[in-house]
Formats: sequence, C-alpha cells, structure tokens
Amino acid sequence: DAGVTQSPTHLIKTRGQQVTLRCSPKSGHDTVSWYQQALGQGPQFIFQYYEEEERQRGNFPDRFSGHQFPNYSSELNVNALLLGDSALYLCASSLGQRYYEQYFGPGTRLTVT
Amino acid sequence: GQQVMQIPQYQHVQEGEDFTTYCNSSTTLSNIQWYKQRPGGHPVFLIQLVKSGEVKKQKRLTFQFGEAKKNSSLHITATQTTDVGTYFCAGLLRGSRLTFGEGTQLTVNP
Repeated sequence: DAGVTQSPTHLIKTRGQQVTLRCSPKSGHDTVSWYQQALGQGPQFIFQYYEEEERQRGNFPDRFSGHQFPNYSSELNVNALLLGDSALYLCASSLGQRYYEQYFGPGTRLTVT
Repeated sequence: GQQVMQIPQYQHVQEGEDFTTYCNSSTTLSNIQWYKQRPGGHPVFLIQLVKSGEVKKQKRLTFQFGEAKKNSSLHITATQTTDVGTYFCAGLLRGSRLTFGEGTQLTVNP
C-alpha cells in the first residue's frame, strides 16, 4: 500500500521564478491538503483540494495556486518566488473533505536564492 | 484568527524522565490531533481527540482533551531515545481548517 509521495525531493529556484510541486495521495484517499513548514515552525495550511476543487484556503497570496486531477493527485504552483518562500512543502492526504488522520508525504524542500 | 499555542518550545530530559507538552486554543475546538515529526522527517499522525474531557493512552503516551475543548496535553512516561522529535498539536475549529501549534522539540539524553 503506497503512502503519500511527493516530487521533487529538493528544488533550488531563483527569485521571480515559478515552481510546480507534485503529490500523489495514499491509496484510497481523495482529499489533498498542502502545507508550508518553515524551519523550526509548525506546518501552515495553504489549501485543500477535494473533488478537483479548492475547498478551503489559508492565509497565502494568490501566487500560490493548485490543482487536483481526476486520479486525486495534486500540484502546488508558486509564481514570482520570494526568498521567504523557502520552506518544506508538505502534502497530506485524507479520506473525505475532512481533516481526520492526515497522512503526510516526505515533503519537497524548496530553496529560493 | 484561530491560534493554537504550544508550550514549551523545547524540552531536554534524561532517558527515563517524564515529558509533557501543552496545547491551548483561543477558541473551542471540534477536535484536536497530535503528530510527531522526527528530525528530517515529516509529521506522523498519533491520535485524535474529539470528546470533552477525553483521555486516550498509547503505551507510554497519554493524551488529554480539556473539558472546555480549548486545551490538550501529551504526556510521555519514562522517555526513551526513540521518543526524540517534535510533537505538534493541531486543532480543528468547526467549519475551518486544521491549525498546527509551533511544536515542542524533545531531546532525550541517554
């Protein structure tokens, strides 16, 4: 039973560039949530996707956007990267449009220079 | 907005000592979850508490949810080196999103 997978593992980008991160949920899960975790901080909720629609959104600017595909996998896009976007980006999957027992992926470490 | 505060930020213990981390919310929560993140790893779900005053145990770990559903605690009895990591609480406000605390980083000296 495959868990949550994310790609790439690490990424280095330059200010102003755009980045796309990918996530495949745990088998049987249909909901994907994205989090940003700065060093030494707790995960901050970006948004949640269910039935291919953004259902909830945290306090992140429109530069952060996403998509969910029919197979439940998801992408996180960040435009016009800032130095402050450097963080670990975590994808979490769950069953149903709720937050019961989220399974986290290993994350993508994004560094913006 | 909803805030979830967690204390202490850091805790250093000798192996065999007990450890407790506390979580407080400014608003009443629908439920609270606890996660553990090992160094260099990702958060792993430990437990969810839903009912007022609920207490759950997992071996040496005891989780409590306050009567007002605004606070929670995680207690580890007789810590082991395998308990090292950061423990996060995450509170869910009805109709809202899961909000994580800042975490308590536990180190255990053998």
